[in-house]
Amino acid sequence: GDSVTQMEGPVTLSEEAFLTINCTYTATGYPSLFWYVQYPGEGLQLLLKATKADDKGSNKGFEATYRKETTSFHLEKGSVQVSDSAVYFCARVSGNTPLVFGKGTRLSVIA
Amino acid sequence: DTAVSQTPKYLVTQMGNDKSIKCEQNLGHDTMYWYKQDSKKFLKIMFSYNNKELIINETVPNRFSPKSPDKAHLNLHINSLELGDSAVYFCASSQAGAGQETQYFGPGTRLLVL
Repeated sequence: GDSVTQMEGPVTLSEEAFLTINCTYTATGYPSLFWYVQYPGEGLQLLLKATKADDKGSNKGFEATYRKETTSFHLEKGSVQVSDSAVYFCARVSGNTPLVFGKGTRLSVIA
Repeated sequence: DTAVSQTPKYLVTQMGNDKSIKCEQNLGHDTMYWYKQDSKKFLKIMFSYNNKELIINETVPNRFSPKSPDKAHLNLHINSLELGDSAVYFCASSQAGAGQETQYFGPGTRLLVL
């Protein structure tokens, strides 16, 4: 069935470090891909999305490119801040299937 | 102007009780969802309603019953609560069906069953 696999956390980085969180997805259908972020004690917020191959989603300095050839949608940020500490979820949806989430990656950024 | 709101935010109750969680969205969306997030942060869809009609019903115990009085509301009633029901429950909505549309999430209801 449809699935999303993302790197296990937790990930701990120093402020201004480069961030990559890997995400791969099953290639059935033509999925749209999403990154959601969950700050402590809050609900999920959409961070960015891409709806077709080679699209790049970007927001708040975060980027992810829809790579059909590697079925990947890795999240990157050039310089993380303490305020980026959160849990990040990769997700996919296609057709009438429900949104399928990865298991989440907890990021902690220390000053 | 909260887009997707849930009440209550916290719910602590005894095993065996019946409880309800309410969700409202003011985005004019057609589709609403309930998700369960366990202690390891894993998120799983439970139900989805489109224009008050149930369209997704995952393998959830029948103690859980969603009710949609209108397309802006999707409530979740849980009978005979069990310890394993302790989790965070998120409501979400989207413009169309479970397709390409972005889903907007509520703040969550933290349920603790003692």
